[in-house]
Amino acid sequence: GQQLNQSPQSMFIQEGEDVSMNCTSSSIFNTWLWYKQDPGEGPVLLIALYKAGELTSNGRLTAQFGITRKDSFLNISASIPSDVGIYFCAGQPHNNYGQNFVFGPGTRLSVLP
Amino acid sequence: DTEVTQTPKHLVMGMTNKKSLKCEQHMGHRAMYWYKQKAKKPPELMFVYSYEKLSINESVPSRFSPECPNSSLLNLHLHALQPEDSALYLCASSPKPWLGWDKNIQYFGAGTRLSVL
Repeated sequence: GQQLNQSPQSMFIQEGEDVSMNCTSSSIFNTWLWYKQDPGEGPVLLIALYKAGELTSNGRLTAQFGITRKDSFLNISASIPSDVGIYFCAGQPHNNYGQNFVFGPGTRLSVLP
Repeated sequence: DTEVTQTPKHLVMGMTNKKSLKCEQHMGHRAMYWYKQKAKKPPELMFVYSYEKLSINESVPSRFSPECPNSSLLNLHLHALQPEDSALYLCASSPKPWLGWDKNIQYFGAGTRLSVL
């Protein structure tokens, strides 16, 4: 099946710093969705991307659909304590009829005051 | 409104109990999903309903029995569970089933935290 990799696996940053994380695959994807999950809660959709090269923002969050269609990036600017959580990417494989989208393993973000 | 509502929020059950998890959405979505999530892991797909019909069963044990009474509701019936079934159970919905070439999106509920004793 399709596999997604996310890096870094975890990161510790100071409040106010910018954050970058990415999601990669060995095959082409048509859709990238970025989610944030707090402990004990369901994933919350942050950004959806549908076109190679697309750059979309949601407040302090910006995500990009990679040109190769095999990766996606999420940036968080000026981090705050409530940014703590696990960030999952999920992708829709290309030409994979009936195949539901695939989750990456997640990036765990910790923000130090 | 992008809300997927799951009840109960928490559930504790013994191995001989029968219980049900409920999921509801009023976005007119025609695909609904059950996922199981263990701590520090991504959600794992269990079942997919497309247009109220079961379209994917990811080799889930028969002690988990899904039901889709109508396009807004999804249930997961639990019977004779094992302690290793303790997890966060997530429901999700999409406007339509995922196809390789089509735009789509997926929203999750807050989950049911299940503990099997």
